[in-house]
Amino acid sequence: DIVMTQSPLSLSVTPGEPASISCRSSQSLLHSNGFDYLGWFLQRPGQSPQLLIYLGSNRASGVPDRFSGSGSGADFTLKISRVEAEDAGLYYCMQARQTPFTFGQGTKLEIK
Amino acid sequence: QVQLQESGPGLVKPSQTLSLTCTVSGGSISSGSYYWSWIRQPAGKGLEWLGRIYAGGGTNYNPSLKSRVTMSVDTSRNQFSLKLSSVTAADTAVYYCAREASDSSVWGQGTLVTVSS
Repeated sequence: DIVMTQSPLSLSVTPGEPASISCRSSQSLLHSNGFDYLGWFLQRPGQSPQLLIYLGSNRASGVPDRFSGSGSGADFTLKISRVEAEDAGLYYCMQARQTPFTFGQGTKLEIK
Repeated sequence: QVQLQESGPGLVKPSQTLSLTCTVSGGSISSGSYYWSWIRQPAGKGLEWLGRIYAGGGTNYNPSLKSRVTMSVDTSRNQFSLKLSSVTAADTAVYYCAREASDSSVWGQGTLVTVSS
């Protein structure tokens, strides 16, 4: 199985400040079609996860442009340019390069 | 807008079979290039992908479940299902169903299943 490792596991950010989460995979997620099969999800308290970023760097429908994804191969980053209160929750990366799909441990974002 | 809703017993006895159904509304389970997935999350823990099924019936399962898992689809009812046999307390979790594509992911609200005698 591909192991996904996120860091940090928690961070506390002041509204209006940026935030960054790293996700590394034990194998390359780059497919021969040129796409990296890496997604980012946000799970707000008491809710189911929602997709933020797909294929490494594409914002899902309805996701604010303060969220961005970057990286390729085995090293990826989710950035929030200016954190807002509604961004609090658990962030997960997930690889869909090969089954079984696997998730990172999760990063808890707290708003100061 | 497509919506998914999990249903099934909230309490299952050890060694028995957990059975859940996901009902899809706002879209046909047979349309589009989607696959239909199950994911679970033990309380306070991370997410575990259990497997997926296509409308045509093709499946991919997580080998960690050691052949205990079976997924099926009922296109006439616009539903897909999960069966997990020989459950133990370690299978206690919130179970989510989801519709997945390369550019989208829609999840149900989740249903808590507790394994206890």
